[in-house]
Amino acid sequence: QKEVEQNSGPLSVPEGAIASLNCTYSDRGSQSFFWYRQYSGKSPELIMFIYSNGDKEDGRFTAQLNKASQYVSLLIRDSQPSDSATYLCAVIKNNDMRFGAGTRLTVKP
Amino acid sequence: DTEVTQTPKHLVMGMTNKKSLKCEQHMGHRAMYWYKQKAKKPPELMFVYSYEKLSINESVPSRFSPECPNSSLLNLHLHALQPEDSALYLCASSQETRSYQPQHFGDGTRLSIL
Repeated sequence: QKEVEQNSGPLSVPEGAIASLNCTYSDRGSQSFFWYRQYSGKSPELIMFIYSNGDKEDGRFTAQLNKASQYVSLLIRDSQPSDSATYLCAVIKNNDMRFGAGTRLTVKP
Repeated sequence: DTEVTQTPKHLVMGMTNKKSLKCEQHMGHRAMYWYKQKAKKPPELMFVYSYEKLSINESVPSRFSPECPNSSLLNLHLHALQPEDSALYLCASSQETRSYQPQHFGDGTRLSIL
């Protein structure tokens, strides 16, 4: 079982729709959760981080964490073509960060 | 542009060469990291420095040698690399190596081994 699992996609949504990206993790002791966006050939860019159960909103982005289900998600509202990228879920336990394989998102105009 | 600066952006070297990758941050962060990323794969942790001391070495071959001269600088010395070492090398930093502190990445060095 992989430590951090994501659907590889590609996930395709029309412009203006809500994109929903999902991530599960295997270690119940995981402490903090991050979403990074990575454009092709570029470095990962921090989008959101969440530590407690529930929702955290920042502009068009909402991160959701459910520790009982070991599940973290990222919602992107009003998706734009510029949101087309690979989204990496990352989980930290004991200062060690592990990434999921990433979900490739395409937003079609 | 990111606040973590990596040089060079691209590097081509032969298997017998010695070269170094450099990383610099001026955010006052005390934790710095090296990652390796192959195409269409997630970043893989190589080394972690905390307060200028090596705290994690993820069983990286000795042909990769990290160095942290001061709290703002991180180097990765390369020697006798193999073609499979061709990848994007990412440097990251965080305030400290605490589980709740996000890491911020540099733009990376794209390394090609001939």
